[in-house]
Amino acid sequence: RKEVEQDPGPFNVPEGATVAFNCTYSNSASQSFFWYRQDCRKEPKLLMSVYSSGNEDGRFTAQLNRASQYISLLIRDSKLSDSATYLCVVTRNTGKLIFGQGTTLQVKP
Amino acid sequence: GAVVSQHPSRVICKSGTSVKIECRSLDFQATTMFWYRQFPKKSLMLMATSNEGSKATYEQGVEKDKFLINHASLTLSTLTVTSAHPEDSSFYICSATDKGAIDTQYFGPGTRLTVL
Repeated sequence: RKEVEQDPGPFNVPEGATVAFNCTYSNSASQSFFWYRQDCRKEPKLLMSVYSSGNEDGRFTAQLNRASQYISLLIRDSKLSDSATYLCVVTRNTGKLIFGQGTTLQVKP
Repeated sequence: GAVVSQHPSRVICKSGTSVKIECRSLDFQATTMFWYRQFPKKSLMLMATSNEGSKATYEQGVEKDKFLINHASLTLSTLTVTSAHPEDSSFYICSATDKGAIDTQYFGPGTRLTVL
């Protein structure tokens, strides 16, 4: 079983839609949690950190449920420019980043 | 924000040759640099962790004699793929942590290696 699991998608949604991605992690000792965005053939870029109290940044909301070992990302009012792969990332106490496979989002006009 | 560069961005080589990839932190001192590999439609896989002035720590299953890592200064780490084979073709990405913000990794733009 992978340490970080995501549904690879793709998720095809129309502009303006709300879309949610989920991620589960298997190591209960995981310390920090992030969502990264990766465009085709580019490096991943940090989108936002994820906290148990929830974290909102504009149209993006991330949530962590430690009891269920579950992380979510909600994107409201999708834009064409949101089309990308969204990577769920957890860290161990060593500081290493463990990446999920990524969920691909395609926003259509 | 912190900038990490990689060179070359793309390389095509013949089977059996060695390829060196450079990773530089341009505006900060990187205590630690990480090397990742990503195959198409797969997640980034950590290959090794490199601390300035010491030997790299390799992840399980990564051959240290095939993927040579040197971290000679606080701004430069190199990955050399020795005797490259077609199965080594991949997207190689480095990241670096700032001495003053060790919880954040800044990623380089990646190097696409194609071995013919």
